[in-house]
Formats: sequence, structure tokens, C-alpha cells
Amino acid sequence: GAVVSQHPSWVICKSGTSVKIECRSLDFQATTMFWYRQFPKQSLMLMATSNEGSKATYEQGVEKDKFLINHASLTLSTLTVTSAHPEDSSFYICSATGTELTGELFFGEGSRLTVL
Amino acid sequence: AQRVTQPEKLLSVFKGAPVELKCNYSYSGSPELFWYVQYSRQRLQLLLRHISRESIKGFTADLNKGETSFHLKKPFAQEEDSAMYYCALMDSSYKLIFGSGTRLLVRP
Repeated sequence: GAVVSQHPSWVICKSGTSVKIECRSLDFQATTMFWYRQFPKQSLMLMATSNEGSKATYEQGVEKDKFLINHASLTLSTLTVTSAHPEDSSFYICSATGTELTGELFFGEGSRLTVL
Repeated sequence: AQRVTQPEKLLSVFKGAPVELKCNYSYSGSPELFWYVQYSRQRLQLLLRHISRESIKGFTADLNKGETSFHLKKPFAQEEDSAMYYCALMDSSYKLIFGSGTRLLVRP
């Protein structure tokens, strides 16, 4: 199957700093990528949808100035958590699909963010 | 409103016992439903989708539009089936709406 890779797998940062998480499709062109957030023992919550070359569409309640998403190429999307605070600590997961994948989504391994 | 409900947080069975993980959905259109599985320390991966009508690792799921359900079943559970299972609904823009997940624990 198609492979989606996230980097870093885990990151610890100080409150007030910004953190960038990358999501790459390794062997297909990801026309659409999704970013999810997962709190401990809870389900995945969709944060935003990004289509290559256009602005991300954020779900209700997600601050777009807080969670900056860029999808500048067909193989890379980035999520930047700006001015991170402890409540932003979470597991962030991306998924991607491409036109040749008939709607199937492939997930990255996730990135655990801890804000001190 | 679109919603996926998995009523059981934890399902514990003995090896060889039948398993049924429940999933109900609410969707105004024609739903496309999936089961995803997450084994310990691994990424989320697709287990099966209703349109393919496959049996993967012995699991099957039938879409029941009358009951708006998509329960996941396996006649004989194995220890390696222990994992977190998520039912999900995909809308027309490829957005996945996940249920809260059910942890399946298969005991020896």
C-alpha cells in the first residue's frame, strides 16, 4: 500500500515556541491531506483538510492562526503549532489520498507533541 | 448530523470466542463506511471498507441501512486481534468521521 510518513515522531517544546510537523507521501501524489488530533484514549478529531496548492479548510472550532497548515507540494504538508501551550499537547496524525487511490486514505504514524 | 457511534470502549473475549464490535452511524446521504485498526505502537490502518465486501483477517462487516449499522464480526478471535478498532464514515469530500473506538482484548 501507499506510505505516509510523519516527522518528527515526537517532540517536546517549551510553552510559547512554535513547532512544525511534516507529513509526506512517499510513493504517491497526495492531492488531499488531512490533519487529525487525538487526545489520550479518545478518537481522532479532524482538524483540517488541505488540498495541494490551496488554503486549508479548517473544521469548526479549530483556530487557523494557531494551527498553520501548508500543502505546497503533492508530497508534503506541514502543520505548524504556533505559540504552543500545554493544552496543545496531543497526538497529531495526518492522512493522505491521491486521485489514483480511489478514495482510500493512508495514515502517517503520528507525531506526539508535548508542550512544557 | 454526521456521527459514528461505537458504544463499547472495551470488549474483552477469550481466544476462539466470537467477536462483534458495534458501530452505528448517522448520515444523510449514502454512506461509505470503514473499519480501521490500530495495533499497539503502530499506525492506523484500513481493515475493511463496506463497498469491497471483503473478509480481511477473518473479519467481516455488513452495512445494514435499516438499522444504520456496520458491525464488525469475527467468528473466532485470535490473540493477535487485540487492538484498537475505529469505525469511520467518509463523506463526499473524503473526510473521515471516526467513532470513539473500541479496544478489543483477546485473552489466551
